[in-house]
Amino acid sequence: QVQLVESGGGVVQPGGSLRLSCAASGFTFNIYAMHWVRQAPGKGLEWVAFLRYDATKDSYADSLKGRFTISRDNSKNTLHLQMNSLRTEDTAIYYCVKSGGSYGADAFATWGQGTLVTVSA
Amino acid sequence: EIVLTQSPATLSLSPGDRAMFSCGASQTIAGNNLAWYQQKPGLAPRLLIYDASFTAPGIPDRFRGSGSGTDFTLTITRLEPEDFAVYYCQQYGILYSFGQGTKLEIK
Repeated sequence: QVQLVESGGGVVQPGGSLRLSCAASGFTFNIYAMHWVRQAPGKGLEWVAFLRYDATKDSYADSLKGRFTISRDNSKNTLHLQMNSLRTEDTAIYYCVKSGGSYGADAFATWGQGTLVTVSA
Repeated sequence: EIVLTQSPATLSLSPGDRAMFSCGASQTIAGNNLAWYQQKPGLAPRLLIYDASFTAPGIPDRFRGSGSGTDFTLTITRLEPEDFAVYYCQQYGILYSFGQGTKLEIK
């Protein structure tokens, strides 16, 4: 069955960096677009970033202002999110999400269990 | 950016009732690229409906999506105890955005 397992979360000081990873299994990873979505404690869902199946196109939420970078390694069935210049408002559960298709114009079909990132001094 | 507004914020109903959730968009959603998700406490969201009216695999047929353009509705025809959760709409027509959610609670 489709599985997405996030890792790399933890506690980081404001201004610091963190790299999240998502190990995918149970499907042909290299033909699906992928996303990161986050959820601050007690709040709603916020889309963070998108990457096409072949990594030739990415998109980001305006609120991130160039601090985050999404990438993928199709040879290792892995998705990453590099987060720099972290702020307290970046504190959230980060979900790895499989798109329903290759190019991004699809619903978010499958979600990982999430990894918690806490930005605090 | 397409802004999605969900109503009501909270819905208080009993098992066996019919539930209706509304989602309004700030502009027309091309291709009816609108989805609904269910989220239970401590768990990741689960896809219920895609393309406004198509039920995702494994989702019971009591979940129904409808609407087009800027106005969309999720209907649960007869509530089961496991349906009490938070429901989000999402558009994927122009980038991606979520509504703020509707909490379905037991009356």
